[in-house]
Amino acid sequence: DIVMTQSPLFLPVTPGEPASISCRSNQSLLHSNGYTYLDWYLQKPGQSPQLLIYFGSSRASGVPDRFSGSGSGTDFTLKISRVEAEDVGVYYCMQGLQGGTFGPGTKVDIK
Amino acid sequence: EVQLVQSGAEVKKPGESLKIFCQASGYTFNGYWIAWVRQMPGKGLEWMGIIYPADSDTRYSPSFQGQVTLSVDTSISTAYLQWSSLKASDTAIYYCARAYCPGDCYSWTHWGQGTLVTVSS
Repeated sequence: DIVMTQSPLFLPVTPGEPASISCRSNQSLLHSNGYTYLDWYLQKPGQSPQLLIYFGSSRASGVPDRFSGSGSGTDFTLKISRVEAEDVGVYYCMQGLQGGTFGPGTKVDIK
Repeated sequence: EVQLVQSGAEVKKPGESLKIFCQASGYTFNGYWIAWVRQMPGKGLEWMGIIYPADSDTRYSPSFQGQVTLSVDTSISTAYLQWSSLKASDTAIYYCARAYCPGDCYSWTHWGQGTLVTVSS
């Protein structure tokens, strides 16, 4: 089974400042088709999750360009270039290579 | 506009059966995988399994294999999640979600509003 870990699990942020979340898998998420099956989701308080990033670095439709995803193999990063108040919530990475597995989540809150 | 509308909250007793639904609209239902995700109270997201409506190809997480059943009714563009015998530990919000592209695509762009299932004696 693929296990996903994230760090930190809690991230206090200052509006206007950058933020970064790390995600790791215990095996490579690179498919033989060349795609890397790693997504990032944000679940805002009281809402359903929303897709931010797919295939490791492709921004989903409507997602602000302050969000970016990077990484390969087993190590991935989600970056927010300048945090806004509306970005608070829990961020999850998820592997889709073998079924699916979510990471434990990183709670982002305003300092 | 793509929409996934889920059934309303349920309160059940341990041992009872339950089937909740996720009704899709605004796209060709048959061509996109549907996922089900559990969120226990105050906890994170858990991937339960996926189903492809065109042929009912179904893949379960090992944690949920044998515990739930996924199905679809393509005539009414609806996906189902069912239990034959609920436990208190099934208390959670259950989300359905649609893949972002047709075919072999496993990122989830469109989500239902969630169905709260409460199992209590």
